[in-house]
Order: sequence, then structure tokens, then C-alpha cells
Amino acid sequence: DSGVTQTPKHLITATGQRVTLRCSPRSGDLSVYWYQQSLDQGLQFLIQYYNGEERAKGNILERFSAQQFPDLHSELNLSSLELGDSALYFCASSPRGDPGHTEAFFGQGTRLTVV
Amino acid sequence: AQTVTQSQPEMSVQEAETVTLSCTYDTSENNYYLFWYKQPPSRQMILVIRQEAYKQQNATENRFSVNFQKAAKSFSLKISDSQLGDTAMYFCAFYMGRRALTFGSGTRLQVQP
Repeated sequence: DSGVTQTPKHLITATGQRVTLRCSPRSGDLSVYWYQQSLDQGLQFLIQYYNGEERAKGNILERFSAQQFPDLHSELNLSSLELGDSALYFCASSPRGDPGHTEAFFGQGTRLTVV
Repeated sequence: AQTVTQSQPEMSVQEAETVTLSCTYDTSENNYYLFWYKQPPSRQMILVIRQEAYKQQNATENRFSVNFQKAAKSFSLKISDSQLGDTAMYFCAFYMGRRALTFGSGTRLQVQP
């Protein structure tokens, strides 16, 4: 158990809908990263938050947004969903923002299926 | 931009034998980190081993070791005494400060009994 909790584990929704994925980082970790993994591919970085502020942005679509709350949990919002958004979405956390990823641990992911 | 290449989509090894997974990367930077992550069927991403580029000594974690060749930009993973539980996708990843992890496309490893 990495200590990073993602909910829900599975999500099935229709095209055009909006969903929210939630991530609770390890206790004390200030940094949260979101990644997308499409079928049998490597992870693609979406966005990073550090202590409530956006720190880095990757290939995140305009239909997607994220935030980190004062209690440090994070939410990834996906709207106007398309079939191609079906993927495994991972959250990772680390104590620091830079070089945070030397100490990052991943959650178990949320599998999103858009039908 | 950094790129990570894993040229072996699938590999197979007999239980108790040794297997090496290849990874090459491209960067113009001098200070960075390299990782191997394991993703079993449960889909959990598990950190296997980590290497700091400024360290010449190859990292080792129990049955897992790396061969880090900085000049050649090569970072291979050796798994000794393979076990059935090693069956998984293995991803090589690169990290440099103030960026996110860059992952390779993965190698699917099957350990045969």
C-alpha cells in the first residue's frame, strides 16, 4: 500500500458527461501529480500541484481541469467526455515539489470507461 | 525534450533465470534521475529501483540491479532469480527537476514456470 488513495476505482460513464476523480496523498505530502495511461501505453503527465498551487502542466486537454484543496487532496475534473478519454488515471504524491518525483508514490488508479 | 525508448515490447524468461530489460533515453542534461517501475496485473505502479545520474555506482535492490551507462544513455534492468511474481509490465522513466516523469512505452515480462 503506497498510502495514496484514489476514488473511485472504476467509473463508467457516457460520452458528453462530466466526472470527478479524487486523490488523497500520503500524509504530509505536499505535491500531487496526475497521469493518464491509455491501453497498454506508458503514463502521460497531465498536471502537478504543490501545496495548493499549480506547479507544472503537461499534455492536459482544455476539457480537463484539476485543483488541490487546503487539506491537500486533489480532484481531476474531466468534462465533455469522449470515447478516447477511456484510460487509467493515476495520482502520485511526494513530500516536495522539486525534485519531488525522486520520492513519488502512486495510487492504484481510477479506471475510466466512456461508452 | 527528453525521450525514453524501450525497444522490447515483450519478453519471456524461465523461473529462476536472469533477464535484462533495455532502456535508452535522450537528454542534453547532466543531472537527472532514472527509474524502473513495475506494473503488475493489479495496475498498481510500483517503484522497483532508482538511479541518480551523478552516481557512477549502479543501483541494486535485492534481485534487481541496473546497468547505467551515462555516456551511452542506457539504463537496463537486470532481474536475477526470476519469480512468477515478477510477471508484469516494466516501465523505464526519466526525471529532471521541475519537470514530470517521462515514461517509456513499457516491456511486458512473462515469467514461465
